[in-house]
Amino acid sequence: GENVEQHPSTLSVQEGDSAVIKCTYSDSASNYFPWYKQELGKRPQLIIDIRSNVGEKKDQRIAVTLNKTAKHFSLHITETQPEDSAVYFCAPHGSSNTGKLIFGQGTTLQVKP
Amino acid sequence: DTGVSQDPRHKITKRGQNVTFRCDPISEHNRLYWYRQTLGQGPEFLTYFQNEAQLEKSRLLSDRFSAERPKGSFSTLEIQRTEQGDSAMYLCASSLRGHVEKLFFGSGTQLSVL
Repeated sequence: GENVEQHPSTLSVQEGDSAVIKCTYSDSASNYFPWYKQELGKRPQLIIDIRSNVGEKKDQRIAVTLNKTAKHFSLHITETQPEDSAVYFCAPHGSSNTGKLIFGQGTTLQVKP
Repeated sequence: DTGVSQDPRHKITKRGQNVTFRCDPISEHNRLYWYRQTLGQGPEFLTYFQNEAQLEKSRLLSDRFSAERPKGSFSTLEIQRTEQGDSAMYLCASSLRGHVEKLFFGSGTQLSVL
């Protein structure tokens, strides 16, 4: 089955700095690469995604980059703000996963004011 | 409310009791998923439906767990003879035909088994 790992497991940055979270996966058939954000006590929410025919996608302060050869993709957050503090999950998906998403173990991001 | 709704939000039960949770997906979404999440972990897949058909079940889903989606709309997840290890957040999610990978989660049902 799919093996998904995130690094680091925790990340602490000063407000205004950048943060990068990496997700490594094992299934070479994966073709969809989303990132979810879960604030404390709330539901996971999709914040950005990318498909395998694209190398990078940006949405304001967040971006996702994909390296299919190395089987990893990363979440980049620039100009971090305290409201970016949350747990972030990657969930690579491909045909071998059938209908389900397999989530990573999560990265806790703390942005200090 | 146009989001995924789950009921109840919290459930406290004694070991050995049966519990049932309900999920109402976004109305036009044909896929419905159940996940379980424990503190400090990512959501773990349990099962999913496409319309009323249950298409996949995780090995995590023992015979004490059963899920239904009888009319392809709402779904129920029942846990029989609850154990302390069943204590977790049970999350429901739905997705739309043509965008099946984009999951919209409900707020979850927090189960505590005493």
